[in-house]
Amino acid sequence: GAVVSQHPSWVICKSGTSVKIECRSLDFQATTMFWYRQFPKQSLMLMATSNEGSKATYEQGVEKDKFLINHASLTLSTLTVTSAHPEDSSFYICSARDRGGAYEQYFGPGTRLTVT
Amino acid sequence: DQQVKQNSPSLSVQEGRISILNCDYTNSMFDYFLWYKKYPAEGPTFLISISSIKDKNEDGRFTVFLNKSAKHLSLHIVPSQPGDSAVYFCAASLDAGGTSYGKLTFGQGTILTVHP
Repeated sequence: GAVVSQHPSWVICKSGTSVKIECRSLDFQATTMFWYRQFPKQSLMLMATSNEGSKATYEQGVEKDKFLINHASLTLSTLTVTSAHPEDSSFYICSARDRGGAYEQYFGPGTRLTVT
Repeated sequence: DQQVKQNSPSLSVQEGRISILNCDYTNSMFDYFLWYKKYPAEGPTFLISISSIKDKNEDGRFTVFLNKSAKHLSLHIVPSQPGDSAVYFCAASLDAGGTSYGKLTFGQGTILTVHP
């Protein structure tokens, strides 16, 4: 149980284009999903908290117009990197809290984004 | 401001021995703590957690100890196995049941290597 998937697992795009990453909770309902970013040899940095049916809450320093988050259902959240630049290249990971569970977050496998 | 710190970037242990991973935090308002295991290019996997009202939680080979007065927690793995080799992150949650939706603050991670 508590499986979270992400799609795509890796993507290469050209500078200036937009990329959408999907995060799905497969066997539970997630009222809250989180988006993280990890640079090489660094910790996971929370980008935003996404609640189903409401606007995402972004962490300080994260551009909400650049990283668009939509949480349209209890099992799906999407992150769209708009007008991507090479500095946006990173490993993006989502997590989800089980609506009926405790405080553990279950993580997806991550998406490697490379902007050329 | 690094609120959760893992001061040992790496730890090497012999198979069958105990692995002790340490974590310190500065925010006394954290009310829930978690340990995650992570392989390169994958999402973190939840291992074990502990509420701030407890000082010990055990699950199989994994035990987490919490010392609130010292703002310190540790993860003990006994006996250690080569398959335990990975990066271990501790994480802390603030107001896990309230309006912060349980967002996590991660430490920098400790690379554990278990030698056969």
